[in-house]
Amino acid sequence: QVQLVQSGAEVKKPGASVKVSCKASGYTFTSYGISWVRQAPGQGLEWMGWINGYNGNTNYVQRLQGRVTMTTDTSTSTASMELRSLRSDDTAVYYCARVKATLLGRDFDYWGQGTLVTVSS
Amino acid sequence: SYVLTQPPSVSVAPGQTARITCGGNNIGSKSVHWYQQKPGQAPVQVVYDDSDRPSGIPERFSGSNSGNTATLTISRVEAGDEADYYCQVWDSSSDPVVFGGGTKLTVL
Repeated sequence: QVQLVQSGAEVKKPGASVKVSCKASGYTFTSYGISWVRQAPGQGLEWMGWINGYNGNTNYVQRLQGRVTMTTDTSTSTASMELRSLRSDDTAVYYCARVKATLLGRDFDYWGQGTLVTVSS
Repeated sequence: SYVLTQPPSVSVAPGQTARITCGGNNIGSKSVHWYQQKPGQAPVQVVYDDSDRPSGIPERFSGSNSGNTATLTISRVEAGDEADYYCQVWDSSSDPVVFGGGTKLTVL
């Protein structure tokens, strides 16, 4: 069965960086992309971007350009998301999700369990 | 950028039908996906491509999409359906993935 297992919770100071990993199993990793979605406390879902599992091409949301980097390691079927220059409003649960691509667009059929990132001085 | 509008909350009695709307400009021309999120849990896809259900999702969950409104319909609502529901589309803008603001379904 498809599983996405994320790394554990992190506490970071403002200005620091965080890297969250997402290990995939149960499917051919290079056949799907991985997207990252975050959710601030009590708020809705915010798409951050995605990475193509086959060729590593990325597409980041404009407001995070320059602060976020998404990578994959196909040898371990693991995707990672690094966010730099952390601010207090980056405090959120970060989810990875498998991207299902069709001619109609993209959606997310499997999700990781989420990783809480807390930014606090 | 494209905007999806959902009502903040919907309430329904057990056994009744809940309808959660997702409004967007000519949303009927796009493919709409719906996710259920229970407190403290990751989202789960309940409808994709307007009206298809992933494996394991009860037939009580259905979707439709026309004009400027997409609708998630939950028939014979159960207490376990209480959750936040989000719609999502793919848009041809620079930030192509758009989520609605979410709707909290309360089962009375």
